[in-house]
Amino acid sequence: DIVMTQSPDSLAVSLGERATINCKSSQSVLYNSNNKNYLAWYQQRPGQPPKLLIYWASTRESGVPDRFSGSGSGTDFTLTISSLQAEDVAVYYCHQYYSTPSYTFGQGTKLEIK
Amino acid sequence: EVQLVESGGGLVQPGGSLRLSCAASGFTFSSYAMHWVRQAPGKGLEFVSAISNNGGSTYYANSVKGRFTISRDNSKNTLYLDMGSLRPEDMAVYYCARVPTNGDLWAWFDPWGQGTLVTVSS
Repeated sequence: DIVMTQSPDSLAVSLGERATINCKSSQSVLYNSNNKNYLAWYQQRPGQPPKLLIYWASTRESGVPDRFSGSGSGTDFTLTISSLQAEDVAVYYCHQYYSTPSYTFGQGTKLEIK
Repeated sequence: EVQLVESGGGLVQPGGSLRLSCAASGFTFSSYAMHWVRQAPGKGLEFVSAISNNGGSTYYANSVKGRFTISRDNSKNTLYLDMGSLRPEDMAVYYCARVPTNGDLWAWFDPWGQGTLVTVSS
């Protein structure tokens, strides 16, 4: 199975500041035939199910604020929140859908307000 | 509005069985693959099982293979997970989730249901 490792495990950022969450896969999730990275990001607010933010590593889901962006390729990926808002307090997960049926998720990064 | 609503969770003894359901609305259910993903209390997300849009292909995590069965009834817009030989480590919130790309079995998930809690304890 592909192991997804997120860093840090938790993060405290001041309102209006930038938050950066990293996700590293144990093997590449870049599919050479279409040059797409098979990686998604989700936000899980307390007591809520996960919500899709980003797919194909950098495509923002419709309705997701543009302060959320995804980047990276191969084995190293980043979710960036450009200006943290109070409603962004949540746990964030990366998810690889390259290796099937062995889908795997990162362990999660808890984002809090400093 | 695309909506998924799980039901059927509850308290079950080790070795027992339970059937989870996921009622879908707001989209053509028969066109989309569906998955079950679980989350143990305070833990991360774990893939459990997947089923193709017509039910012809099914997949399971090694941890549940031989004990769980995924199925769907496209006439009722409902996804199921039959869980048997339950173990304490199966205790989790179980989410159903749609693969939003028409016809694909493997991709990201959107949306997710609210989840149903399965507690395995004597």
